[in-house]
Amino acid sequence: RKEVEQDPGPFNVPEGATVAFNCTYSNSASQSFFWYRQDCRKEPKLLMSVYSSGNEDGRFTAQLNRASQYISLLIRDSKLSDSATYLCVVNFNFNKFYFGSGTKLNVKP
Amino acid sequence: GAGVSQTPSNKVTEKGKYVELRCDPISGHTALYWYRQSLGQGPEFLIYFQGTGAADDSGLPNDRFFAVRPEGSVSTLKIQRTERGDSAVYLCASSPELQGYPSGANVLTFGAGSRLTVL
Repeated sequence: RKEVEQDPGPFNVPEGATVAFNCTYSNSASQSFFWYRQDCRKEPKLLMSVYSSGNEDGRFTAQLNRASQYISLLIRDSKLSDSATYLCVVNFNFNKFYFGSGTKLNVKP
Repeated sequence: GAGVSQTPSNKVTEKGKYVELRCDPISGHTALYWYRQSLGQGPEFLIYFQGTGAADDSGLPNDRFFAVRPEGSVSTLKIQRTERGDSAVYLCASSPELQGYPSGANVLTFGAGSRLTVL
């Protein structure tokens, strides 16, 4: 079983739509959680850390459910520039960061 | 430097050849990671350095892969007797590994990667 699992998509949505991705993780001892964004043929870049109480950054909201071992990312008012692959990342044992395979988002005009 | 720097950005080699990939992390970052990413997959952990020592090399696929970080800064990933299956993007990341900070502060910053193609 993979440490981190994501729906690969693609999610095809119109501009202005709200879209949500989920990610599940297998290790209950996981300590910290992140969403990274990766554009085609580019390196992953941090989108946001995910905190236990949930957190928001502009149009992006991240939630953590430790009991069910999943993380979510909600994007409101989608922009064309949001088109990318979104990687879920889970950290445990301090130095181990595990990546999901990514969820591809296509925002259409 | 301002970011993580990786060289070369692209490397094409023939099966059986030796390859070195270099990573220069963000200045002051003590933790350095190597990942490998194949098309359509997320980054796969290879090795982690804390300072000069390889603290966790459990992700190296076999003994053809080796990495060093002799002075606790620049790291080199070495691949011997390359195979076609080694073709991938090799990503380096560094982290400040801040002690006592919320764990969400210990984020990875990636370099642009080295794209390796083995013919």
